[in-house]
Amino acid sequence: SQQGEEDPQALSIQEGENATMNCSYKTSINNLQWYRQNSGRGLVHLILIRSNEREKHSGRLRVTLDTSKKSSSLLITASRAADTASYFCATEDRGSTLGRLYFGRGTQLTVWP
Amino acid sequence: ETGVTQTPRHLVMGMTNKKSLKCEQHLGHNAMYWYKQSAKKPLELMFVYSLEERVENNSVPSRFSPECPNSSHLFLHLHTLQPEDSALYLCASSPSASGGRNIQYFGAGTRLSVL
Repeated sequence: SQQGEEDPQALSIQEGENATMNCSYKTSINNLQWYRQNSGRGLVHLILIRSNEREKHSGRLRVTLDTSKKSSSLLITASRAADTASYFCATEDRGSTLGRLYFGRGTQLTVWP
Repeated sequence: ETGVTQTPRHLVMGMTNKKSLKCEQHLGHNAMYWYKQSAKKPLELMFVYSLEERVENNSVPSRFSPECPNSSHLFLHLHTLQPEDSALYLCASSPSASGGRNIQYFGAGTRLSVL
């Protein structure tokens, strides 16, 4: 399968704590993206990291990419109850002409007030 | 709002019905996608349209029939569905379907239940 795999499947933390989610994949990639999905809604793009980048920040989000291990992590700092959602990684294969994205099953994050 | 609108939000249909899902994007994008999201499964890409031409059909059963009349609208026509087709159907768009920086914008989805 070319899909990414997120780990853990579910994560439950208190407000103010940091949340770390991991993604592993199997192919060579152009980029890796993280998306967020609130229950029963569509996915929202959070951040894209290119294969030649190792770390990227956006607000409270920090993404790392290790192409030698074919893995990525998403860190949400100082989490809030509103961060409760499912988080998906998606990869775009190197040399892709269609820009097809391969999504994982996601990590369900619950942040308790 | 992401600029991608899907209707209806919820749909219940019998196995012999014919219905259509509609997607409209207001972002000026050239590529549109249909995905199926079932519980505990990765998002499944069904169809890709680039500049109104279908460029990928991911082994989807013929009971699902897409239509892209222009770059802003995408339909998914449904007929003779099975209960296992019950899922959240998501539409997405992106500036182009070419690789390199393909960020996709999703609609809120249509929750389909087949009885």
